[in-house]
Amino acid sequence: DARVTQTPRHKVTEMGQEVTMRCQPILGHNTVFWYRQTMMQGLELLAYFRNRAPLDDSGMPKDRFSAEMPDATLATLKIQPSEPRDSAVYFCASGLGQLNSPLHFGNGTRLTVT
Amino acid sequence: GQQLNQSPQSMFIQEGEDVSMNCTSSSIFNTWLWYKQDPGEGPVLLIALYKAGELTSNGRLTAQFGITRKDSFLNISASIPSDVGIYFCAGHGATYNNNDMRFGAGTRLTVKP
Repeated sequence: DARVTQTPRHKVTEMGQEVTMRCQPILGHNTVFWYRQTMMQGLELLAYFRNRAPLDDSGMPKDRFSAEMPDATLATLKIQPSEPRDSAVYFCASGLGQLNSPLHFGNGTRLTVT
Repeated sequence: GQQLNQSPQSMFIQEGEDVSMNCTSSSIFNTWLWYKQDPGEGPVLLIALYKAGELTSNGRLTAQFGITRKDSFLNISASIPSDVGIYFCAGHGATYNNNDMRFGAGTRLTVKP
């Protein structure tokens, strides 16, 4: 089974440190999404790429978050500087970008900022 | 935050019982999806629905796309302990774009053996 791969699975860091999360989408998928999951807010869309181009990052705090796709096999989400309120599980999902093609999620990166 | 109303928030049932959960929206959706999330993992797609009125089964799971296109339900028959998890509904709005996909807040299911 093809899967979305995320690394690291867990990250504990101190406030102010830079955090980089990585995602390898399913081969052939041309859309990549970053979601943040918290108990209070559920699944929130942070950013969306199609064919490696950022199409929507309106859900992302721009002052500290950045998302990129250096190539078709790698998407990154960076937080600099990190804050305790960034503690959450960050999911990457990929899809074919078509109506009949649902998103497939990775297993997430659990981030704890102390 | 969520733009779909998913209920119930949580359910505690006995093994063998049937389960029903639903999602509603104030706007029309073109697709409805049901995902299940196990602890420590990402959501996994269970059932995808693409036409109003569509009724689809996946083993003991059955989901329907409401005729009004503003709701969907998921039923689980004869629950077993491994059904434990959080079930999310998701829908694509009128634009057909994946970035228009919205999630419900989830239904946390606990199954007592």
